[in-house]
Amino acid sequence: RKEVEQDPGPFNVPEGATVAFNCTYSNSASQSFFWYRQDCRKEPKLLMSVYSSGNEDGRFTAQLNRASQYISLLIRDSKLSDSATYLCVASLNDYKLSFGAGTTVTVRA
Amino acid sequence: DAGITQSPRYKITETGRQVTLMCHQTWSHSYMFWYRQDLGHGLRLIYYSAAADITDKGEVPDGYVVSRSKTENFPLTLESATRSQTSVYFCASTGGADTQYFGPGTRLTVL
Repeated sequence: RKEVEQDPGPFNVPEGATVAFNCTYSNSASQSFFWYRQDCRKEPKLLMSVYSSGNEDGRFTAQLNRASQYISLLIRDSKLSDSATYLCVASLNDYKLSFGAGTTVTVRA
Repeated sequence: DAGITQSPRYKITETGRQVTLMCHQTWSHSYMFWYRQDLGHGLRLIYYSAAADITDKGEVPDGYVVSRSKTENFPLTLESATRSQTSVYFCASTGGADTQYFGPGTRLTVL
């Protein structure tokens, strides 16, 4: 079983729409969680960390549910530039990250 | 301020050949990592290094060798390349605080 599982999508949404997706992690001892963004054929970049209390960064909101072992990402008012693959990440410590295979989001005009 | 660089960016080689992928970072980060990314698998950790001369295996280390004689460099060697090692290889580094910074990747094709 993979440590982090994601719905691969793709999620096709119009500009201005809200899109949300989850990922699940298998190791209950995981301590840190992140969302990374990866544009086509480029390196992943940190989008945001995910805290137990939930956190928001502009149009992006991340939530963590430890009881059910899932993490969510919500994107409001989608822009064309939000089209990317979003990688869910869980970590047992600060240095060894487990990546999901990614959820692809395509925002259309 | 180059950050983290990888070379070559693209490489085509033949089965059985030795290949070395280079990774260089300018931040003096203590931790460095090598990942491979394949469709359907996401990023998988090959090896990582906590400091110069300290390396450890990740999830998929077989067929790979690493070294770290200097903090800024972390080369990855495929001792005898196989077709299953065709992949995109990313190097990353971190100085702590969880965030890993990735290099631009090396696309390796083994014929």
